[in-house]
Amino acid sequence: GEEVAQTPKHLVRGEGQKAKLYCAPIKGHSYVFWYQQVLKNEFKFLISFQNENVFDETGMPKERFSAKCLPNSPCSLEIQATKLEDSAVYFCASSLQGDGYTFGSGTRLTVV
Amino acid sequence: EDQVTQSPEALRLQEGESSSLNCSYTVSGLRGLFWYRQDPGKGPEFLFTLYSAGEEKEKERLKATLTKKESFLHITAPKPEDSATYLCAVQEAETGGSYIPTFGRGTSLIVHP
Repeated sequence: GEEVAQTPKHLVRGEGQKAKLYCAPIKGHSYVFWYQQVLKNEFKFLISFQNENVFDETGMPKERFSAKCLPNSPCSLEIQATKLEDSAVYFCASSLQGDGYTFGSGTRLTVV
Repeated sequence: EDQVTQSPEALRLQEGESSSLNCSYTVSGLRGLFWYRQDPGKGPEFLFTLYSAGEEKEKERLKATLTKKESFLHITAPKPEDSATYLCAVQEAETGGSYIPTFGRGTSLIVHP
């Protein structure tokens, strides 16, 4: 399809629970990016993939965050033992050649 | 220090009142500068990519320009449907090849009828 599909749209988790977010990139796009948007429109880069390989993970809090992009499956971002400060909107974007990103509509994660 | 700074933070215009949004950047080498529009509850929607100083791109009432230190998004005779947050993002040329864009905090535009 011509859109990046993110599921679920909303996710509520108790502190300490696991959260898993999914992203189906545009077919044919080789690059997938995850961003976290918190208050005041601040976009924080988390991780990027080129096909199924991690391309850049400099933004990932590695102790609790993990991500995968496996062939023929949606990409996923998993947060183990969520904390209150993980509450944010998580955006996935895909790109054909590493620029001109197309974003999904995001998953709003609320940790209570 | 932020690498990408957008101003103003918020802008209110009357319908038909033209204005400009600014995005200044401090990266040492620019690979690309992107403008996005974001509506509430949605992901950013791609508008333009600019690659070199002097480049200009237009789409309907929007025109983006680029210099060596900043970019402007000019909005001519805006309409209420142009109300949104406009985001600027910069790709640095030399970042080990990952080219991850750094986003500014956006300008929230409201156009009153």
